[in-house]
Amino acid sequence: DTGVSQNPRHKITKRGQNVTFRCDPISEHNRLYWYRQTLGQGPEFLTYFQNEAQLEKSRLLSDRFSAERPKGSFSTLEIQRTEQGDSAMYLCASSHGYEQYFGPGTRLTVT
Amino acid sequence: QQPVQSPQAVILREGEDAVINCSSSKALYSVHWYRQKHGEAPVFLMILLKGGEQKGHEKISASFNEKKQQSSLYLTASQLSYSGTYFCGTETQAAGNKLTFGGGTRVLVKP
Repeated sequence: DTGVSQNPRHKITKRGQNVTFRCDPISEHNRLYWYRQTLGQGPEFLTYFQNEAQLEKSRLLSDRFSAERPKGSFSTLEIQRTEQGDSAMYLCASSHGYEQYFGPGTRLTVT
Repeated sequence: QQPVQSPQAVILREGEDAVINCSSSKALYSVHWYRQKHGEAPVFLMILLKGGEQKGHEKISASFNEKKQQSSLYLTASQLSYSGTYFCGTETQAAGNKLTFGGGTRVLVKP
């Protein structure tokens, strides 16, 4: 059990560019969650998967955001046409029961 | 709607006790508590389920008042390692552990 991993750890991009983040959950965890966290705030739910099915997507998530989890393993989160307001820490978590195990996050800075 | 945590910050001397509260305006199915240290991922502490089931962690315990839709986290005989930001995450129905996090309580334990 190596924990949840996320790549890249840091991403700096210019406004208008597309970015993609990857999350590798703990093996055999069937649920995978994406959160966004800004400085001084708690994590904000974006979306979650049970196996390969995306079961819920936050209303806060605009059409510029899309997530996939092919074959129920790793997941990717893509942000198209990034805006400065997208700057945040993007956290991934996985679970098999009640406990959610968080990854170290990807810090996105949009300039 | 985001749960409300209080206090926003607390400073303790090693060995002192503290209570952190988490209140929701909605009926809760479960309350999850996490601790996040600066620059690190949130770490699961415990969960409280509607009906009273509870899991604990070290000298940290919690209660769940279903009538008030409020949970309290008790830090007993605090240690330096307890420093960090504590978040409650609430679930309003049994739906895949989709959590809504509060704004956090910053705890600093001094020697």
